[in-house]
Amino acid sequence: EAGVAQSPRYKIIEKRQSVAFWCNPISGHATLYWYQQILGQGPKLLIQFQNNGVVDDSQLPKDRFSAERLKGVDSTLKIQPAKLEDSAVYLCASSLVATSTDTQYFGPGTRLTVL
Amino acid sequence: EDQVTQSPEALRLQEGESSSLNCSYTVSGLRGLFWYRQDPGKGPEFLFTLYSAGEEKEKERLKATLTKKESFLHITAPKPEDSATYLCAVKRQGGKLIFGQGTELSVKP
Repeated sequence: EAGVAQSPRYKIIEKRQSVAFWCNPISGHATLYWYQQILGQGPKLLIQFQNNGVVDDSQLPKDRFSAERLKGVDSTLKIQPAKLEDSAVYLCASSLVATSTDTQYFGPGTRLTVL
Repeated sequence: EDQVTQSPEALRLQEGESSSLNCSYTVSGLRGLFWYRQDPGKGPEFLFTLYSAGEEKEKERLKATLTKKESFLHITAPKPEDSATYLCAVKRQGGKLIFGQGTELSVKP
């Protein structure tokens, strides 16, 4: 079974530029998550989708971050404009459903460096 | 507020030297405690889910246990390939996954 796919794997941009990340979840997984992991810290949830709808985006900086999940499969996360403090690894995860004990499976992440 | 604290932050072991990693948590209505392994440059890899105090799960050299306030990840006779960052996360009903900061384990031959 194929895992969660993400691209690109690495991205370097200047501050105030925009960037987009793509995620393809495990086939059949209804729930998709985007996390931000700053060096030396655990992942922090940015947004959770259940099929096409947003379940939780309370930690998403909405003035600069946006995300969408069209057709309930692939998702994109965009940052515009980027700040230095956005340098981090952006992880996508998916789970079969969104129950309290459902296991989340992670992709390899996209490492973003903002100069 | 839900909180997860892992200790130590870093642990260096000799091959074969058994030890334990700690995950302390405060959450109302725990629905699950998760352990993940993360290798450099990769995403977290699922290891275990524990649901209630007293529960134990094993996988190769790893054994996870759970009490009402903390979880331990015991590593028996570790090998260099066990070197990684181990992440603990908790979830309550209807809530999101809250991660600790991780323990970076290094096993030297």
